[in-house]
Amino acid sequence: DQQVKQNSPSLSVQEGRISILNCDYTNSMFDYFLWYKKYPAEGPTFLISISSIKDKNEDGRFTVFLNKSAKHLSLHIVPSQPGDSAVYFCAARANDYKLSFGAGTTVTVRA
Amino acid sequence: NAGVMQNPRHLVRRRGQEARLRCSPMKGHSHVYWYRQLPEEGLKFMVYLQKENIIDESGMPKERFSAEFPKEGPSILRIQQVVRGDSAAYFCASSPKPGSNTGELFFGEGSRLTVL
Repeated sequence: DQQVKQNSPSLSVQEGRISILNCDYTNSMFDYFLWYKKYPAEGPTFLISISSIKDKNEDGRFTVFLNKSAKHLSLHIVPSQPGDSAVYFCAARANDYKLSFGAGTTVTVRA
Repeated sequence: NAGVMQNPRHLVRRRGQEARLRCSPMKGHSHVYWYRQLPEEGLKFMVYLQKENIIDESGMPKERFSAEFPKEGPSILRIQQVVRGDSAAYFCASSPKPGSNTGELFFGEGSRLTVL
């Protein structure tokens, strides 16, 4: 069963504008959420994370928002840059070692 | 500080052959995880190992798949009698300890298996 869902397979955004990636989850036991970025032919690299006790975490151009009541999180990238073009995976953990991943959203930043 | 090293990067096998994928974790990491990514899907957990121990193999298919992490040497994911449905990218990840404060895993570049 798919416990983490990224319903938008792709997103196209103009350079300098905001990219908003969405992620929904079903498991109420998830207590930690992460975003990974992946370039073609490379492994995923950690981008940013948030604990379930927070509703926002910011790191430079990247901000993750968590809405526990809606079981929804989002990643904001502002301003978007060409190097941000990649696949972004949402992942979640339920107080153990196992990460559940969404199917990914491919972001394309247009010049 | 070298990252997670996986080899081979690409592997082609015919149906019925065996595939062996190797993973060396980051220096200082003793926890290894294998994930599989099928086309158009996210990464799916397969197995979690510590040195000489399989901690959780709940994501491994019951047959043909096995994993080990010996005292010396890399972790090995072994697929016997491969079938076309085994074609996927296999990612290895490591962490210094499970359930760490950040929950972050460090991934290798993956091994792409193609079964003809």
